[in-house]
Amino acid sequence: EAGVTQFPSHSVIEKGQTVTLRCDPISGHDNLYWYRRVMGKEIKFLLHFVKESKQDESGMPNNRFLAERTGGTYSTLKVQPAELEDSGVYFCASSQPPGGPYNEQFFGPGTRLTVL
Amino acid sequence: AQSVAQPEDQVNVAEGNPLTVKCTYSVSGNPYLFWYVQYPNRGLQFLLKYITGDNLVKGSYGFEAEFNKSQTSFHLKKPSALVSDSALYFCAVRTNTGGFKTIFGAGTRLFVKA
Repeated sequence: EAGVTQFPSHSVIEKGQTVTLRCDPISGHDNLYWYRRVMGKEIKFLLHFVKESKQDESGMPNNRFLAERTGGTYSTLKVQPAELEDSGVYFCASSQPPGGPYNEQFFGPGTRLTVL
Repeated sequence: AQSVAQPEDQVNVAEGNPLTVKCTYSVSGNPYLFWYVQYPNRGLQFLLKYITGDNLVKGSYGFEAEFNKSQTSFHLKKPSALVSDSALYFCAVRTNTGGFKTIFGAGTRLFVKA
């Protein structure tokens, strides 16, 4: 069974540019999550989709970040315009329905974003 | 606010010796505790979790962790370290009042020397 995949693995952009990260969850996983780890600090929750609906987006840092999951399959996270402090590793995770706080979340390898 | 603390940025241990990676948490509600490991250029891999029941939980690769409610700790342990255990370890918590979001610690880098 294929795991969670993320694309690209690395992205280097200049301040003010736009970047779109993609996550493909494990097939059949309705729950999809985005997390971010900045500068060796803790991994922070960004948002949670259930199918195509945003269940919890309390961790999104500001309106420069836009997450979508059209069709309830893969998800994209767009940063526009990117700022220096957006640099970090963006992780995607998915879990099976019906979900719950004790369900295992399967993580992808992450996308390392560097904003110059 | 819910939080997880991993007080050590780095832990060094000799191969064959026991290892401990510390974790304490602060949450409201019942905690569900997890340990993940990240090897270079890989995603986070699930090691073990505590949901309820026996305070000592066993996980992958010979790791185990002990839930201590009074000390709000969930330290990761292994009786005999391997060089291949060298990686970045994250402690995490969820609660039944916190929804699905996972609260992570900052991570502890484990170096096992041959």
